[in-house]
Amino acid sequence: AQSVAQPEDQVNVAEGNPLTVKCTYSVSGNPYLFWYVQYPNRGLQFLLKYITGDNLVKGSYGFEAEFNKSQTSFHLKKPSALVSDSALYFCAVRDGRGQLIWGAGTKLIIKP
Amino acid sequence: ETGVTQTPRHLVMGMTNKKSLKCEQHLGHNAMYWYKQSAKKPLELMFVYNFKEQTENNSVPSRFSPECPNSSHLFLHLHTLQPEDSALYLCASSQVSLRESGGTGELFFGEGSRLTVL
Repeated sequence: AQSVAQPEDQVNVAEGNPLTVKCTYSVSGNPYLFWYVQYPNRGLQFLLKYITGDNLVKGSYGFEAEFNKSQTSFHLKKPSALVSDSALYFCAVRDGRGQLIWGAGTKLIIKP
Repeated sequence: ETGVTQTPRHLVMGMTNKKSLKCEQHLGHNAMYWYKQSAKKPLELMFVYNFKEQTENNSVPSRFSPECPNSSHLFLHLHTLQPEDSALYLCASSQVSLRESGGTGELFFGEGSRLTVL
């Protein structure tokens, strides 16, 4: 079955430290992978995507994600966290029918 | 401002009421979507419209009735809802439907309509 797993409900990071939000996926064929962010009381915003090419993808607000085919992972990273990065982060993968399969989300809390 | 506007932002309704959610996109996109967001769950795709034709209905109960009069407007009509339907309803749009080869998955979301069913 095609699926996306975000194993951590919540990630706590001190401001200035590097952050990682994990995502693993299961999909047939070549995956199209995405990260979206949702700030409080807002809709989701696109952060970045991997379609093909370089395994390290750079996106908005200084975020990047690394595609690892052997581990079927697409972890979101940032070298230095900001308090304003606190939000809900969703990983998604496009399946063969063209639908997005979503993870349940990871709440990221950045403490000053 | 994402270019996708949803109204109302908050709605409280009884189980016998009829109400509607509205979505408007100013991006010139061809595909529009309704999603249901419940806490700590993946987003649930409800309906997809491409060039104002419905292309997906993910086994959504008939108490939810979508309407897409044109590519810029999308409605979700609500009737005899249940308390478990309380959630954040998100509208999204994309230039190309995800089903098409050019559909790469970048969706533009509205801020959502928070629905509470009493």
